[in-house]
Amino acid sequence: AQTVTQSQPEMSVQEAETVTLSCTYDTSESDYYLFWYKQPPSRQMILVIRQEAYKQQNATENRFSVNFQKAAKSFSLKISDSQLGDAAMYFCAYRSLYSGAGSYQLTFGKGTKLSVIP
Amino acid sequence: DAGVTQSPTHLIKTRGQQVTLRCSPKSGHDTVSWYQQALGQGPQFIFQYYEEEERQRGNFPDRFSGHQFPNYSSELNVNALLLGDSALYLCASSRQVQETQYFGPGTRLLVL
Repeated sequence: AQTVTQSQPEMSVQEAETVTLSCTYDTSESDYYLFWYKQPPSRQMILVIRQEAYKQQNATENRFSVNFQKAAKSFSLKISDSQLGDAAMYFCAYRSLYSGAGSYQLTFGKGTKLSVIP
Repeated sequence: DAGVTQSPTHLIKTRGQQVTLRCSPKSGHDTVSWYQQALGQGPQFIFQYYEEEERQRGNFPDRFSGHQFPNYSSELNVNALLLGDSALYLCASSRQVQETQYFGPGTRLLVL
């Protein structure tokens, strides 16, 4: 079974600065998807960014980018020019690429609470 | 374009009761997945529905059951509620089982 670990329960960043959230995972599969989801106090889980493991290029979405290190099984999220609206819980998630028992479920880490200081 | 919707937003039940939660998927999506998120934890997969059938199931007891309707909306039923069932229940939809999942706002269930 796959596991996802987020070792930073809480992080803080000054507004307009850059912060990096860490995520590691364990899998025996060679192809898979990795995701970062944001959950603000409103509770709705919002997709931030997606990375396909077979793509070597790191995914980028505006101020959000990832550092995907497949050999190290590491998938960190970098938030540039942090804004007050970035304050939320951030969850890293894993999903298998191919069909099979349990393959399409998302496996989540425990999350990192990000605070943005004005 | 309407996103994923869930009802109700909050619910209070007592132990032993039964509860039904509802989910309408995002327009164009035909697959619905349900997750349980306990306080301070990441979501845990309950099951996934596609073509009105349960396709995958996580490590949850048979007290948790579901249904998908022809219009792709879905229900999650929990019987014989326990205190430990208190959680945020999230519904996610996708365009077929293998596509990216988009979440609804959740239903907060409190069991007393």
